[in-house]
Amino acid sequence: AQSVSQHNHHVILSEAASLELGCNYSYGGTVNLFWYVQYPGQHLQLLLKYFSGDPLVKGIKGFEAEFIKSKFSFNLRKPSVQWSDTAEYFCAVNAKEYGNKLVFGAGTILRVKS
Amino acid sequence: DVKVTQSSRYLVKRTGEKVFLECVQDMDHENMFWYRQDPGLGLRLIYFSYDVKMKEKGDIPEGYSVSREKKERFSLILESASTNQTSMYLCASSTRQGPYEQYFGPGTRLTVT
Repeated sequence: AQSVSQHNHHVILSEAASLELGCNYSYGGTVNLFWYVQYPGQHLQLLLKYFSGDPLVKGIKGFEAEFIKSKFSFNLRKPSVQWSDTAEYFCAVNAKEYGNKLVFGAGTILRVKS
Repeated sequence: DVKVTQSSRYLVKRTGEKVFLECVQDMDHENMFWYRQDPGLGLRLIYFSYDVKMKEKGDIPEGYSVSREKKERFSLILESASTNQTSMYLCASSTRQGPYEQYFGPGTRLTVT
């Protein structure tokens, strides 16, 4: 079945550590890719998106993601995390066969220790 | 500023009750979505609407129905609530043109006892 996989469900890091959250998808054609973040008690908001052009995408709050087509991956990175990055992160994919819809990964809960 | 609002943040209902969850968006978006969010399962699509009075089943439509009488409003209905419908319900909207970025409401945490 077509799906979106996030490799880690829970990640715990200390402040200033580097972050990489994995996301892989199984669609073969053209895709639009998203990372959303949900801070405690808040609604989901867009962190960054890729739909064409430079495969290295920069988002808000120092996050970036790299689209590697050959690996069907869209990993999220941040060089130095802060306590305020504690949140749940969701990868989402739009593929042609899904029309206007997004398929979401299961989410990764990040806890940053101060 | 983009806005999606949901009628309640928290709701407690009894088994067998009919439950209405309402969502309103002010962005003139054609597409609206209802998801449920459960720990470890991510967001699962319940129903999708691409226009007024149009709807399409998502991945988990059983036990739910929807209504879209106006472009800005999309309602989720639990005909007879059950305890396994205790969850966080999220509404979202998007335009009909790509890349189909979705905008989310704050969510309704529904508890069915």
